[in-house]
Amino acid sequence: DTEVTQTPKHLVMGMTNKKSLKCEQHMGHRAMYWYKQKAKKPPELMFVYSYEKLSINESVPSRFSPECPNSSLLNLHLHALQPEDSALYLCASSPTKRSSTDTQYFGPGTRLTVL
Amino acid sequence: GQSLEQPSEVTAVEGAIVQINCTYQTSGFYGLSWYQQHDGGAPTFLSYNALDGLEETGRFSSFLSRSDSYGYLLLQELQMKDSASYFCAVRTAGNKLTFGGGTRVLVKP
Repeated sequence: DTEVTQTPKHLVMGMTNKKSLKCEQHMGHRAMYWYKQKAKKPPELMFVYSYEKLSINESVPSRFSPECPNSSLLNLHLHALQPEDSALYLCASSPTKRSSTDTQYFGPGTRLTVL
Repeated sequence: GQSLEQPSEVTAVEGAIVQINCTYQTSGFYGLSWYQQHDGGAPTFLSYNALDGLEETGRFSSFLSRSDSYGYLLLQELQMKDSASYFCAVRTAGNKLTFGGGTRVLVKP
């Protein structure tokens, strides 16, 4: 199994809703990442988890709350989002974040629309 | 902080060769990665250069000059399926990836 899966593929939510994005990998990777990508823009790093611990938070607003319940699973909890948060949310994983030749593998993303 | 510059768009015909340049300014450089992303798809890893020189993977090659803070991706024998966006990304401590703005490659028959 060499892929990162993400659910749901599409999500539409109101500004008062609470929803969660899910990411899963079974490659034994110990680092997992959340990125946000707006249309025609590059991915922007949001969070990094290493060995199930949050290691990097790129000053992301608290309405985005990440969670790593185990080494295969990464969640992103969403609450009170704004329309400008509409974007493609990408999950990635890599073997570790310590190797100098580490490669990040991306999931297909969740396309989020906030009304 | 990090900043990367790459051309916004390149158009070429099938069978041609395309070179996408990437210049960067960064603190704490580990290497330069290249990703391909088709419309509506996920970024797919193409290559990684940690040291100066050329890395070849099939039709795609990537080059890095650390002293010039410069790299490029070379796409050879272009095919229609190569129409996509290509991102360079610098890798810094903590395996952080910072992406360039992306180059949209359009391959025409």
